Amino acid sequence: DIVMTQSPDSLAVSLGERATINCKSSQSVLSSSTNKNYLAWYQQKPGQPPKLLIYWASTRESGVPDRFSGSGSGTDFTLTISGLQAEDVAVYYCQQYYGSPLYAFGQGTKLEI
Amino acid sequence: EMQLVESGGGLVRPGGSLRLSCAASGLTFSIYSMNWVRHVPGKGLEWVSYISGGSSIIYYADSVKGRFTISRDNARNSLSLQLNSLRDDDTAVYYCARESGPSGGAFDIWGQGTMVTVSS
Repeated sequence: DIVMTQSPDSLAVSLGERATINCKSSQSVLSSSTNKNYLAWYQQKPGQPPKLLIYWASTRESGVPDRFSGSGSGTDFTLTISGLQAEDVAVYYCQQYYGSPLYAFGQGTKLEI
Repeated sequence: EMQLVESGGGLVRPGGSLRLSCAASGLTFSIYSMNWVRHVPGKGLEWVSYISGGSSIIYYADSVKGRFTISRDNARNSLSLQLNSLRDDDTAVYYCARESGPSGGAFDIWGQGTMVTVSS
């Protein structure tokens, strides 16, 4: 089974600064046939469902501000939030959609100001 | 744009059953694969089950295999999850989520969730 591990579990960043969240998969989620990383990032605020931010490891979902960016390949990935705003306070999850089990989420990273 | 609305959650005793429903608006429900994901309050997200557009392919997480059953009725634009032999650790908010075509499998539309509480 592919296990997703995020770091850190929580972090506090000042307004306007950069936040970096890491995600490591126990197996590669890079497909040799498509050359795409089957890795997504979600934002979840209290009392709300998760919101898709990034897919294919680095493609922003429509409507997501460009201060959110994703990078990485294979087993190591990063979500970067540049110019942190108060509305970015949330829990962030990575998710693999490549292997077994069909989908797996990281444990989440709580971002605070 | 498609919207998803879950219902059917509630309080149930261990060993009991519950049926969750997810109503989808929009005329293209049948072309999308759908999933159930749960969120234990204070903890993380856990994928529960997947069903393809035509119901020919179904998957379950190991933690619910043999106890939960996913199904869909494309004529009624609805998705269901039958929960049997419920345990305390099934307590969670259950979300239905659409698999996005362009993303190759990420979940782009989520319902607001329905709470399932398993307690004696």
